[in-house]
Amino acid sequence: DVVMTQSPLSLPVTLGQPASISCNSSQSLVYSDGNTFLNWFQQRPGQSPRRLIYKVSNRDSGVPDRFSGSGSGTDFTLKISGVEAEDVAVYYCMQGTHWPYTFGQGTKLEIK
Amino acid sequence: EVQLVESGGDLVQPGGSLRLSCAASGFTFSSHWMSWVRQAPGKGLQWVANIKEDGSEKYYVDSVKGRFTISRDNAKNSLYLEMNSLRAEDTALYYCARGYYLTDYWGQGTLVTVSS
Repeated sequence: DVVMTQSPLSLPVTLGQPASISCNSSQSLVYSDGNTFLNWFQQRPGQSPRRLIYKVSNRDSGVPDRFSGSGSGTDFTLKISGVEAEDVAVYYCMQGTHWPYTFGQGTKLEIK
Repeated sequence: EVQLVESGGDLVQPGGSLRLSCAASGFTFSSHWMSWVRQAPGKGLQWVANIKEDGSEKYYVDSVKGRFTISRDNAKNSLYLEMNSLRAEDTALYYCARGYYLTDYWGQGTLVTVSS
């Protein structure tokens, strides 16, 4: 199975400051058709996961533009340009290239 | 509005069985792959199974193969997960999700607890 490794696992951030989460995969996530199926999810306390970013860098409808995704191959990053209180959540990367699809361990973002 | 509502979770003894359901609305159910994903209490997310639009293809994570069966009824806009030979490690919140490699919408989950 493809192992997804996130860092850091805990991320204390001051309101208004930027935040960055790294996600590394044990294999390349480039599919045979050239697409890279790397998604980012946000799970707020007590809620189900919500997709923020799909195929590395495509922001979902309704997702604030302070969220951005980048990367290629095996190294990916989720960035928040200026953290707001509503961003307190656990963030997961997920690969949909190789079955079984797998998630990172999650990064818990908290306000410092 | 896309809605996915899971039901059927319960407390069950090890070795027991359970059937989860997911009622879908707000989209053309028969046009989408569907998935089950689970989350053990306080833990991360684990994919369980996927099923193609017409039910002709199904995929399972190794840990549930031979014990769980995913199915769907497009006439009823419903997704199911039949779970047999349940183990303590199957204890989790089970989410129904639309799609598979690009899964977008998730339900609120239904809790399965396997304990004696």
